[in-house]
Amino acid sequence: GENVEQHPSTLSVQEGDSAVIKCTYSDSASNYFPWYKQELGKRPQLIIDIRSNVGEKKDQRIAVTLNKTAKHFSLHITETQPEDSAVYFCAASMKSGTSYDKVIFGPGTSLSVIP
Amino acid sequence: EAGVAQSPRYKIIEKRQSVAFWCNPISGHATLYWYQQILGQGPKLLIQFQNNGVVDDSQLPKDRFSAERLKGVDSTLKIQPAKLEDSAVYLCASSVRLGDSYEQYFGPGTRLTVT
Repeated sequence: GENVEQHPSTLSVQEGDSAVIKCTYSDSASNYFPWYKQELGKRPQLIIDIRSNVGEKKDQRIAVTLNKTAKHFSLHITETQPEDSAVYFCAASMKSGTSYDKVIFGPGTSLSVIP
Repeated sequence: EAGVAQSPRYKIIEKRQSVAFWCNPISGHATLYWYQQILGQGPKLLIQFQNNGVVDDSQLPKDRFSAERLKGVDSTLKIQPAKLEDSAVYLCASSVRLGDSYEQYFGPGTRLTVT
């Protein structure tokens, strides 16, 4: 079945350094790739997304890249700050049949930014 | 706009008891999802509704879990009887398609502890 893998499972970086989280997906029909940030005890919130017809997207300190051929996509956070500490989930979504969107989440990456 | 509402926020029950969760999605969102999030893992889809019809319940343990979405708005998720391994956060989300992509909005979740 469809599967999304995510690495690393935990990541610690010094404040100001960059953080990179990588995901791979199995279903070549996937066409939409959102990233969610979940702070401790809170709900997941969308931070950035990318469609399959785009290779890269940037929003301030956050960027996402997509390699459709290799079926992997990555989240890049630059100039990390302590408030970036959270669990980050990637997801892959595809149209299932004609009627609805099927979303598969990765297992998450726990990011710690050390002041 | 108002977000996704869920209740209760916390619930503690003994194994073999039953429990029900309620979700009110964002107005106008046709798609509603119930996820189970076990500590340290990504959200796992239990059931997905498109308006008031089920489009995906492949990972719902149907011998003990049931869900309904009457009139295509509010939804309830029930567990009967509960097992220890059902301890998790149950997240409700809703979405509306925007062109080729969409954004899932998550509720605050219900933290279930089965003892």
